Amino acid sequence: GAGVSQTPSNKVTEKGKYVELRCDPISGHTALYWYRQSLGQGPEFLIYFQGTGAADDSGLPNDRFFAVRPEGSVSTLKIQRTERGDSAVYLCASSLRDSLHEQFFGPGTRLTVL
Amino acid sequence: QKEVEQDPGPLSVPEGAIVSLNCTYSNSAFQYFMWYRQYSRKGPELLMYTYSSGNKEDGRFTAQVDKSSKYISLFIRDSQPSDSATYLCAMSATAGGSYIPTFGRGTSLIVHP
Repeated sequence: GAGVSQTPSNKVTEKGKYVELRCDPISGHTALYWYRQSLGQGPEFLIYFQGTGAADDSGLPNDRFFAVRPEGSVSTLKIQRTERGDSAVYLCASSLRDSLHEQFFGPGTRLTVL
Repeated sequence: QKEVEQDPGPLSVPEGAIVSLNCTYSNSAFQYFMWYRQYSRKGPELLMYTYSSGNKEDGRFTAQVDKSSKYISLFIRDSQPSDSATYLCAMSATAGGSYIPTFGRGTSLIVHP
């Protein structure tokens, strides 16, 4: 079956602009995670959804970052007033409710802020 | 000190060698221990996970957890050039049921023919 998909694969924007990154999880996976991965580092947790609600958003670095999952499937990560330090690969993962430690990752969106 | 420490490498080995990849951690609440493989410009792929202590084997891969030493290992037997990738360890507790994993920075493995 289809895996986790993320669009766009690459996004280049200018400092101060607004961006949206999309994640389409595996069908039937109720849990969805967003991570940020900088070069040479492991993924860093941002936010976790169980269904439509954010169960844990403790990893969001500041209020410029926001994520939604209105119908419990597709999720959008939104970044306002982008800064050069936001440049990274943004990864999305999904899992079944009963297997939260078995996460399936998408290919990521490479965000570059000029 | 980070919660999860992992040597970034690179680790270069000849084809057919046994590879040992390791992580140490400081949080004694960790109960799930995962290993992911990440090819360049791809997302991480779960190889295997272990709950609590002990060993787990899957084909050429063996995961070991020593909770008393806060040390985990991944062994790859008969390594192949296609095993060349970055290997990430990850760990999570069960507090609150969110299973938010903490990742190591990854070890880059190169298997040369």
